[in-house]
Amino acid sequence: KAGVTQTPRYLIKTRGQQVTLSCSPISGHRSVSWYQQTPGQGLQFLFEYFSETQRNKGNFPGRFSGRQFSNSRSEMNVSTLELGDSALYLCASSLSLGAGELFFGEGSRLTVL
Amino acid sequence: AQSVSQHNHHVILSEAASLELGCNYSYGGTVNLFWYVQYPGQHLQLLLKYFSGDPLVKGIKGFEAEFIKSKFSFNLRKPSVQWSDTAEYFCAAGSNSGYALNFGKGTSLLVTP
Repeated sequence: KAGVTQTPRYLIKTRGQQVTLSCSPISGHRSVSWYQQTPGQGLQFLFEYFSETQRNKGNFPGRFSGRQFSNSRSEMNVSTLELGDSALYLCASSLSLGAGELFFGEGSRLTVL
Repeated sequence: AQSVSQHNHHVILSEAASLELGCNYSYGGTVNLFWYVQYPGQHLQLLLKYFSGDPLVKGIKGFEAEFIKSKFSFNLRKPSVQWSDTAEYFCAAGSNSGYALNFGKGTSLLVTP
């Protein structure tokens, strides 16, 4: 059974640009969550999608957005990139919504110059 | 507000030493608790989880954790660490009300030969 797949794995952008990250969940998983991981801050929750609807949202500015498609694949977008957006962006899938076990991808490492 | 705190940010141990990593949560009601591990260059993976029942939970690779409700704690333990346990460890908590998992800031463990 394939795990959670995230693309791209690495990317470099400059301030002001925008970026789109993609996540394919484990087959059969309908919930997809996104987290930002930075040194010293751990994992900070961005948002969670279930059945193409955003169900939970973390405390991030509106520059961070996402969506989920009918096949449960998800994308997140960050517009007007700032230096502080440099981080590892993790996608996790789970069978259902809420506080169940999460299965993580390897992440997309974004560097903003 | 719901939160998770980990006591130690960096821990250095010699092989065969015993390990205990502290985790406290701030949640009302029923809580689900998790420990995840991130080995260097790898994705986050589940060590163990507690939903209900026996408060002493055993996980993979000889790890265990004890849920102490009165102390709002879920400490991770291992009697004898190995060099291969060098990794970052994250405690996470969530309620059954449909909200996403909250993670602590992580503890970086270095095991020296």
